[in-house]
Amino acid sequence: NAGVTQTPKFQVLKTGQSMTLQCAQDMNHNSMYWYRQDPGMGLRLIYYSASEGTTDKGEVPNGYNVSRLNKREFSLRLESAAPSQTSVYFCASRTRGGVETQYFGPGTRLLVL
Amino acid sequence: QKEVEQNSGPLSVPEGAIASLNCTYSDRGSQSFFWYRQYSGKSPELIMFIYSNGDKEDGRFTAQLNKASQYVSLLIRDSQPSDSATYLCAVNTGYSSASKIIFGSGTRLSIRP
Repeated sequence: NAGVTQTPKFQVLKTGQSMTLQCAQDMNHNSMYWYRQDPGMGLRLIYYSASEGTTDKGEVPNGYNVSRLNKREFSLRLESAAPSQTSVYFCASRTRGGVETQYFGPGTRLLVL
Repeated sequence: QKEVEQNSGPLSVPEGAIASLNCTYSDRGSQSFFWYRQYSGKSPELIMFIYSNGDKEDGRFTAQLNKASQYVSLLIRDSQPSDSATYLCAVNTGYSSASKIIFGSGTRLSIRP
């Protein structure tokens, strides 16, 4: 049981390049989330998916797209990276009912030059 | 106005004392509330979850919720140096447990020996 996994762990991009951040969970959770965290700041929600086949915008969706490929996987795509997207990206999944818990992946550090 | 607000700190507390962390939120429809601890360079980890008005205790941690005042707090008793971290308040906005979870910017807590 690996929990929430993210790939890659670290990536350097040049302005204008594209890339996809991968996230997978093996806990059979319905809800999955993508956050970004900038230095000294909390987490800001980019997109979330309440269930397979649905996605919704969060607080800062501009410049990103997401795909909920199946129940396990939720990917985040940067079509044309900008230096303002330099950040640490966290994926999370969430239980429903009972003791609610949101589990986080280890994060992806992205540097856009 | 941000949806979830916290004092950024740093909050410095002597070892063995009580640390008190506060959070306010703007959406009156919010149903559940979370406190996360995040060590530098690590993922957030859930330490408390509360959805009913009043107090909820778990070991040295007590979460307090007042929905009328839109206020949630975290008390840490007998503070230890290992409690030094950033504490993030998070709110499940909306009525569904599949709604988005929004984070505050976090409070840095430092426990001095």
